[in-house]
Amino acid sequence: QVQLQESGPGLVKPSGTLSLTCAVSGGSISISNWWSWVRQPPGKGLEWIGEIYHSGSTNYNPSLKSRVTISIDKSKNQFSLKLSSVTAADTAVYYCARGGLNLQDWGQGTLVTVSS
Amino acid sequence: EIVLTQSPATLSLSPGERATLSCRASQSVSSYLAWYQQKPGQAPRLFIYDASNRATGIPARFSGSGSGTDFTLTISSLEPEDFAVYYCQQRSNWPPVFTFGPGTRVDIK
Repeated sequence: QVQLQESGPGLVKPSGTLSLTCAVSGGSISISNWWSWVRQPPGKGLEWIGEIYHSGSTNYNPSLKSRVTISIDKSKNQFSLKLSSVTAADTAVYYCARGGLNLQDWGQGTLVTVSS
Repeated sequence: EIVLTQSPATLSLSPGERATLSCRASQSVSSYLAWYQQKPGQAPRLFIYDASNRATGIPARFSGSGSGTDFTLTISSLEPEDFAVYYCQQRSNWPPVFTFGPGTRVDIK
């Protein structure tokens, strides 16, 4: 089973850029899979942010598309998320996950707080 | 964009009782619907995929049914570890977007 681990700053200033990385272990990121980012504001539901295929193709949530970039680094077996122009509304637990039609494996999540 | 609606928002039941959770899609998703369980402080866990298939390690007391726009997750006899929030999810072909339902919380009565 693939393991995923998120990492990155836990605090980001308003108007700044949130940057997270998801390290994949127990399997190659180059195997045919989509790799996703999902977030969950405190006490609320799940919101899909976007996904990347091992080829580099991406799909994004239309509501976030203008601010999101997801990239992949096959040499490091990891993929990354950048979310620009953040506000307090972007405060959430951010999860990385593996899957196509559904998300079979998830990281433990990392809390990112947007505050000055 | 497909919208998923879950009902009820909260289900208060006792261990041993049967739980029936509903998920309705705003348009047909065929059988491409999944269910996740999430406990406090934990990541969601895939329980059911393609509407009725249990994921690896999921007990047989969990079953999924439905197709098109109406889906059901049934827990035949609640165990203490089943009290959690359950989300349904679909992935549309175009636009290629994942959508989650708002969740159903199963509480101990």
